Amino acid sequence: QSVLTQPPSASGTPGQRVTISCSGSSSNIGSNYVYWYQQLPGTAPKLLIYKNNQRPSGVPDRFSGSKSGTSASLAISGLRSEEEADYYCAAWDDSLSGRGWVFGGGTKLTVL
Amino acid sequence: EVQLVESGGGLVQSGGSLRLSCAASGFTFSSYWMTWVRQAPGKGLEWVANIKQGGSEKYYVDSVKGRFTISRDDAKNSLYLQMNSLRAEDTAVYYCAREQRGSGGMDVWGQGTTVTVSS
Repeated sequence: QSVLTQPPSASGTPGQRVTISCSGSSSNIGSNYVYWYQQLPGTAPKLLIYKNNQRPSGVPDRFSGSKSGTSASLAISGLRSEEEADYYCAAWDDSLSGRGWVFGGGTKLTVL
Repeated sequence: EVQLVESGGGLVQSGGSLRLSCAASGFTFSSYWMTWVRQAPGKGLEWVANIKQGGSEKYYVDSVKGRFTISRDDAKNSLYLQMNSLRAEDTAVYYCAREQRGSGGMDVWGQGTTVTVSS
């Protein structure tokens, strides 16, 4: 059971816009930045979005992130087949029981 | 080129120990927080531990507290994870990552090293 909640799967056709949600609580998303990672099959994760909505150099502007309260979302517009991957949200957690990074369970994106 | 290369994974019996290493190059290692993240077969990402520049702060996920120890040697540009009392549920690919603490997230990742704990 992951601390952050994501839908296990999402899908879209090439060119379509898809969104992936991520739900947390006041101790993580509600008080800290949200990050998104893309993991292509058989590879290490790659930072996709940082500080809720910032893109590292090299990440296309078709990827965008947003945050509101204790929830966040990742949007991919103009979907491409090569973006079929697992997507994870993450945030730092400052709970009473301990501090550390928490991840969502991941969303497997299928490009139909 | 900024790079992280993990090593030290392998097959170990339940209750055994293993030490993972992560060699950093292409950046000023001593200036960054570093972290370990693992991924069990067919499962999602799980953060394991991280360590501040100089080693003065360390954090661990509850499931490894008291069993795993994260450390670093800035002179050798290396990050370590000492894993003791290993359990079957520790079986995973272990990634080291550079952390832009405070805002940037985990922006550089290694290729991972596989740890298999047999029961």
